[in-house]
Amino acid sequence: DAKTTQPPSMDCAEGRAANLPCNHSTISGNEYVYWYRQIHSQGPQYIIHGLKNNETNEMASLIITEDRKSSTLILPHATLRDTAVYYCIVRGINFGNEKLTFGTGTRLTIIP
Amino acid sequence: NAGVTQTPKFRVLKTGQSMTLLCAQDMNHEYMYWYRQDPGMGLRLIHYSVGEGTTAKGEVPDGYNVSRLKKQNFLLGLESAAPSQTSVYFCASTTDRTTQPQHFGDGTRLSIL
Repeated sequence: DAKTTQPPSMDCAEGRAANLPCNHSTISGNEYVYWYRQIHSQGPQYIIHGLKNNETNEMASLIITEDRKSSTLILPHATLRDTAVYYCIVRGINFGNEKLTFGTGTRLTIIP
Repeated sequence: NAGVTQTPKFRVLKTGQSMTLLCAQDMNHEYMYWYRQDPGMGLRLIHYSVGEGTTAKGEVPDGYNVSRLKKQNFLLGLESAAPSQTSVYFCASTTDRTTQPQHFGDGTRLSIL
């Protein structure tokens, strides 16, 4: 699975859109981009994933660049409950490597 | 986290004791995973299963055993607990290992004294 790079921390004002970037310059054609978050001591929570096209669900939007080397997770109206560590993960068809690799992630703090 | 239930949520053991952690999912998922999370080390895969009756080792399997007798359940056993196994244990499941996300339980916090 391709390596990802994320900023270690970000702040966002409550009610504003939070834009979390992720670089995955070595991504290959069959690898998906996944976003998870972990709120202190809880289990990782799935947010969204995509392959090529931009995706949107009830939690967030995922914007993937045309060359697929980077992506942005957008939380449209951040609330205090969105304070968490956000992980960008790239995963492909790689039998024998079953682990989901969580890097260091981005610690997002929502400011009241 | 809806769909994946872990029991117990907390447990304290003495060195040398044994115990079993239970993971149950009601989403009819084929794939199930056990991870451990330690401070500053992220999640590490212990064992996983690609279907009922099958299990395989992850990156840190020593000291643990698993069983998947029923599709919905994945058990993690510690035969002789050691202080190094103090950790938070997460179970996850998915219907497709590549194109679908893993859904995680809320974790079991295990302390070995």
